[in-house]
Amino acid sequence: EAEVAQSPRYKITEKSQAVAFWCDPISGHATLYWYRQILGQGPELLVQFQDESVVDDSQLPKDRFSAERLKGVDSTLKIQPAELGDSAMYLCASSLAGTDQETQYFGPGTRLLVL
Amino acid sequence: DQQVKQNSPSLSVQEGRISILNCDYTNSMFDYFLWYKKYPAEGPTFLISISSIKDKNEDGRFTVFLNKSAKHLSLHIVPSQPGDSAVYFCAARPNTGTASKLTFGTGTRLQVTL
Repeated sequence: EAEVAQSPRYKITEKSQAVAFWCDPISGHATLYWYRQILGQGPELLVQFQDESVVDDSQLPKDRFSAERLKGVDSTLKIQPAELGDSAMYLCASSLAGTDQETQYFGPGTRLLVL
Repeated sequence: DQQVKQNSPSLSVQEGRISILNCDYTNSMFDYFLWYKKYPAEGPTFLISISSIKDKNEDGRFTVFLNKSAKHLSLHIVPSQPGDSAVYFCAARPNTGTASKLTFGTGTRLQVTL
């Protein structure tokens, strides 16, 4: 069964350092999403791509966060510099075409701890 | 402002009994609703969904009910099994004609006891 792949699974870093997360969506899925889930809360969308284009990045803290999906396949989310409040689970999801009644499939996530 | 609310952070149910997880929403533009299940150290897994044109959708042991007038939906699991123990998230999206983001609730931790 096809799955969304993410790496690393866990990352510990010190504040002010740079971190990067990688996501490989299900093959053929045009839409890719990055979510952040803080402990005790539900996932919140950071950025949504349709192929290589950003569709929604209204909740992405652009002063420190960046995301790219250069060839419309895999994607990288970067934080520079990391802050203590960035400690969270970062989830990547993908869907076939991004239509309204379509299921998003999630990867296992990257758990980030900023010390 | 929390547009999707799951007011019960946890629920404990005996194996074989019915589990009922509740979700309320405030945004009348929400048109499509999903339930996801999440085990520790894993990403959310899609469980079941319902469109606003329906009031019930059933898939095996899982049934979702939607009450649009009350802006309320519920997930029924019957019979509950120990493997159902997980965190359940309710999510909703508006019908904007194009891809739109999911808004998640805070989750309900279900524990199914023997």
